[in-house]
Amino acid sequence: SQQGEEDPQALSIQEGENATMNCSYKTSINNLQWYRQNSGRGLVHLILIRSNEREKHSGRLRVTLDTSKKSSSLLITASRAADTASYFCATDDPSTGANSKLTFGKGITLSVRP
Amino acid sequence: DGGITQSPKYLFRKEGQNVTLSCEQNLNHDAMYWYRQDPGQGLRLIYYSQIVNDFQKGDIAEGYSVSREKKESFPLTVTSAQKNPTAFYLCASSTRARSGANVLTFGAGSRLTVL
Repeated sequence: SQQGEEDPQALSIQEGENATMNCSYKTSINNLQWYRQNSGRGLVHLILIRSNEREKHSGRLRVTLDTSKKSSSLLITASRAADTASYFCATDDPSTGANSKLTFGKGITLSVRP
Repeated sequence: DGGITQSPKYLFRKEGQNVTLSCEQNLNHDAMYWYRQDPGQGLRLIYYSQIVNDFQKGDIAEGYSVSREKKESFPLTVTSAQKNPTAFYLCASSTRARSGANVLTFGAGSRLTVL
């Protein structure tokens, strides 16, 4: 079952511009995470936001969470060519207890043109 | 260096053969996971294990089997019963963060191609 759905599916921007990616989910969560995947590689954790938080920052990343709309957004400011990758949101399943399993969306392909 | 090692990175298999993908972690993580990724798709959970000698089916367990005899190791066998096994397989592990959240550390993946 796919919990998170990202949009847009693909995004192409110029270096220096900001990139905004959105994620919607269906059921209640404890937290939402964003991961990055370079082509042909594993995923790397970027940032986590808990259900009682509305906004969080980490370097050039800003993530927001609106639990009433069941949605999150990831903003990458001042993008660089090295930000080119796929980005996934992941939500936990509170019913599966400790080390609860995560469900990933289909991902957003971000291309940053030099 | 602590991390997760998946092997082999590339694997070719003839139809009807079973293959086993290796996943080893030295992070002392309790939980381990196997995900499958198809082109343009998200990650789908195959199996996960929260503790040694115990594992649960994920969303697409049919045609796969796992074992968890040691904390460090969580091998995945793709059996001949899996009808469409060509995919990118990702192993991950986690330990509960101080925040209570489950943050995953991923291996580099294994790409399986059925000829």
